[in-house]
Amino acid sequence: EAGVVQSPRYKIIEKKQPVAFWCNPISGHNTLYWYRQNLGQGPELLIRYENEEAVDDSQLPKDRFSAERLKGVDSTLKIQPAELGDSAVYLCASSFLTSSGRGEEQFFGPGTRLTVL
Amino acid sequence: RKEVEQDPGPFNVPEGATVAFNCTYSNSASQSFFWYRQDCRKEPKLLMSVYSSGNEDGRFTAQLNRASQYISLLIRDSKLSDSATYLCVVNPPGGYNKLIFGAGTRLAVHP
Repeated sequence: EAGVVQSPRYKIIEKKQPVAFWCNPISGHNTLYWYRQNLGQGPELLIRYENEEAVDDSQLPKDRFSAERLKGVDSTLKIQPAELGDSAVYLCASSFLTSSGRGEEQFFGPGTRLTVL
Repeated sequence: RKEVEQDPGPFNVPEGATVAFNCTYSNSASQSFFWYRQDCRKEPKLLMSVYSSGNEDGRFTAQLNRASQYISLLIRDSKLSDSATYLCVVNPPGGYNKLIFGAGTRLAVHP
């Protein structure tokens, strides 16, 4: 069974340029997460979707970051314009949320390593 | 104070050694606890959940002390393949699917 797929794996851009990341979760998983992981730190949640609804985006810098999950499957995360401090690994994860609200294990994709010059 | 704190290490141990990591969390009402493993330049993967009664999976033992708000991971008979970063993860109250990650503890097992 395929895991979480992300693309691109690496991206190098100059500051002020836009960039987009794509994620395809594990089939059947209704919950999707975008995390950012800075060097030497653990992943930090940016946004969480339950189906197509963003249920927690409190950590998403909304002035430059946007995300969407059309049809409750694939998702894209966009940064416009990128800043030097956005250099990090952007991880997508998915899980299955039961009707009782209990979440199961989160599975992570390989991440997109962004370098902003 | 960070929500989840870990000693960053690195812990350098020889093969066969026993090594223990601790982690503290700030929210006493946190619901669930986990250890994730992250290899260099790879994604995190769930190693084990941590239950109040403690749990063991082969050479790995996890313990939870709610009174002191700390979680531990014990690795016995360390293997070279155990070299990785171990992330302590906490599920805060009210957010079944929200995970708060510590910065991780690096383990290097040498021959």
